[in-house]
Amino acid sequence: SQQGEEDPQALSIQEGENATMNCSYKTSINNLQWYRQNSGRGLVHLILIRSNEREKHSGRLRVTLDTSKKSSSLLITASRAADTASYFCATVDTGGFKTIFGAGTRLFVKA
Amino acid sequence: KAGVTQTPRYLIKTRGQQVTLSCSPISGHRSVSWYQQTPGQGLQFLFEYFSETQRNKGNFPGRFSGRQFSNSRSEMNVSTLELGDSALYLCASSSEGQGDYEQYFGPGTRLTVT
Repeated sequence: SQQGEEDPQALSIQEGENATMNCSYKTSINNLQWYRQNSGRGLVHLILIRSNEREKHSGRLRVTLDTSKKSSSLLITASRAADTASYFCATVDTGGFKTIFGAGTRLFVKA
Repeated sequence: KAGVTQTPRYLIKTRGQQVTLSCSPISGHRSVSWYQQTPGQGLQFLFEYFSETQRNKGNFPGRFSGRQFSNSRSEMNVSTLELGDSALYLCASSSEGQGDYEQYFGPGTRLTVT
């Protein structure tokens, strides 16, 4: 089974609203990454947060990590139609260097 | 720098055939990873190559294999294709490996097995 599980599976919001996606994982991790995928294309790396970090910002993105709860959240502020995509969390465990992706959250931003 | 390129972009094969997919990483990147993406199973890790050596392997049958050349280009091969092998195959490169480094993904090869 996959390491990361995203919640919700799908999210539909209006342009300008904030979007929050959550990710839970099962084992100890080295870091957690978020990726975006547009319509069946390749993934684009958004942000990486290490296990000793609690929060990280990049432009309109804010990621939090709670290792005690084994969960992370991705917040996209002031969303735009161009943010419509699938978002995946990916974890790299401390035991090896395998990246395990979650099932993803499909975000629809309506103009 | 040019991005990660994958060839071919689309492929249609028949059950029982074999297929070879190619990936050219970003110049200077030594790690290449392969993933299979399907609607039912999501993104699953196949294997990672670093400096021509397979460093990590996912839970796929031996029909899935790969290799990396001295110029870091990588190929993956699937023998005796099954209908369930229909998927988007993604290649990703990074400078040192998956662990601490972001991966740069190619556009993928969409394989359809009939």
